Amino acid sequence: TQLLEQSPQFLSIQEGENLTVYCNSSSVFSSLQWYRQEPGEGPVLLVTVVTGGEVKKLKRLTFQFGDARKDSSLHITAAQPGDTGLYLCAGAGHGNKLVFGAGTILRVKS
Amino acid sequence: NAGVTQTPKFQVLKTGQSMTLQCAQDMNHEYMSWYRQDPGMGLRLIHYSVGAGITDQGEVPNGYNVSRSTTEDFPLRLLSAAPSQTSVYFCASSYSRLSYTFGSGTRLTVV
Repeated sequence: TQLLEQSPQFLSIQEGENLTVYCNSSSVFSSLQWYRQEPGEGPVLLVTVVTGGEVKKLKRLTFQFGDARKDSSLHITAAQPGDTGLYLCAGAGHGNKLVFGAGTILRVKS
Repeated sequence: NAGVTQTPKFQVLKTGQSMTLQCAQDMNHEYMSWYRQDPGMGLRLIHYSVGAGITDQGEVPNGYNVSRSTTEDFPLRLLSAAPSQTSVYFCASSYSRLSYTFGSGTRLTVV
């Protein structure tokens, strides 16, 4: 069974601070996806990374895929209250299955 | 486009009852899947389908059945509900498996 360890589980920061969320595994994934979920809604895709070492930027969010395609990180610069939510990483592994990490609850206080 | 539509949004069942959670997508995606989300455990794959007539088990399939008679629909059946099946259920579809579109979920309580 492929597993994704996501950390931290919970993050509470002040507006303007930077933060990083990590997603680690001992397995290799063909792609790594990051989703954001708000209460009462389904996850919404933020980005997909497919190449080892790949870095993608989405405004203040920077996503990185590890060289060995076993880990990924999400860095948010100058967090804003609108960034509050549940962040999920998900890896596309064996067969046709998408494996999710447990998620990081981010709270940005103004 | 409506995307992925799940019904009902909320449901309360008694132990032993059966029910079907509906999922429909209008994006002509071949790949569809069902997940359950429990606190602190992320989303866990129940069943998935790579096209009409083809289904397979995910990580936690026990107590659930699926069928895929059309590209658009992928219903999830609970055969005999148990309190352990209290959860939020999400249906998702994908064209390339590089991105998934999720429904807004069904919150199920089994008493």
